[in-house]
Amino acid sequence: IAGITQAPTSQILAAGRRMTLRCTQDMRHNAMYWYRQDLGLGLRLIHYSNTAGTTGKGEVPDGYSVSRANTDDFPLTLASAVPSQTSVYFCASSIGTSGSADTQYFGPGTRLTVL
Amino acid sequence: AQSVAQPEDQVNVAEGNPLTVKCTYSVSGNPYLFWYVQYPNRGLQFLLKYITGDNLVKGSYGFEAEFNKSQTSFHLKKPSALVSDSALYFCAAYAGNNRKLIWGLGTSLAVNP
Repeated sequence: IAGITQAPTSQILAAGRRMTLRCTQDMRHNAMYWYRQDLGLGLRLIHYSNTAGTTGKGEVPDGYSVSRANTDDFPLTLASAVPSQTSVYFCASSIGTSGSADTQYFGPGTRLTVL
Repeated sequence: AQSVAQPEDQVNVAEGNPLTVKCTYSVSGNPYLFWYVQYPNRGLQFLLKYITGDNLVKGSYGFEAEFNKSQTSFHLKKPSALVSDSALYFCAAYAGNNRKLIWGLGTSLAVNP
């Protein structure tokens, strides 16, 4: 069982380019999340999804979009990348919805640099 | 505002000594509390959580945490630190009234041989 996989591991991107970060889980968890981790700011929730077909905004959603076509996949898209989106991005999942207190399980992260 | 505070950015301990990583919270209602660990260049891993019951919670890798309602704290402890415990530790609290997980900013633990 792999848990959560993320791709790519790292990426350097020119500003203005479109980029999709991929996230796949094999645990059949209902909820999935995207966080960004920045020094001094900790983890901040970008978007979440409680079940396939639904998504919600976290605390820093601007400049990002997500989709949840099925249970396993939860891609994060930067439509037009800006340098402030340079960060480490983590995907996570939990059995229950985002409104529950279920443990979240994290992927290995994607390190994104926008120049 | 609801919040989780980890008052120490960095904690340094000698191998074999006990360690404590502090966490205090301010959330409405009865909190659910979590500790996660992040090793270098890795994702976060779940260590333990408190929901209800015994105030002392035991988790992975010999870690434990004590819930103290009067002090609104949930400090992470380990009786004897290992160099391999060196990592970034995050405390989080689930705020039931607005159904979201609130994260602390993390504490970097360095265990010196």
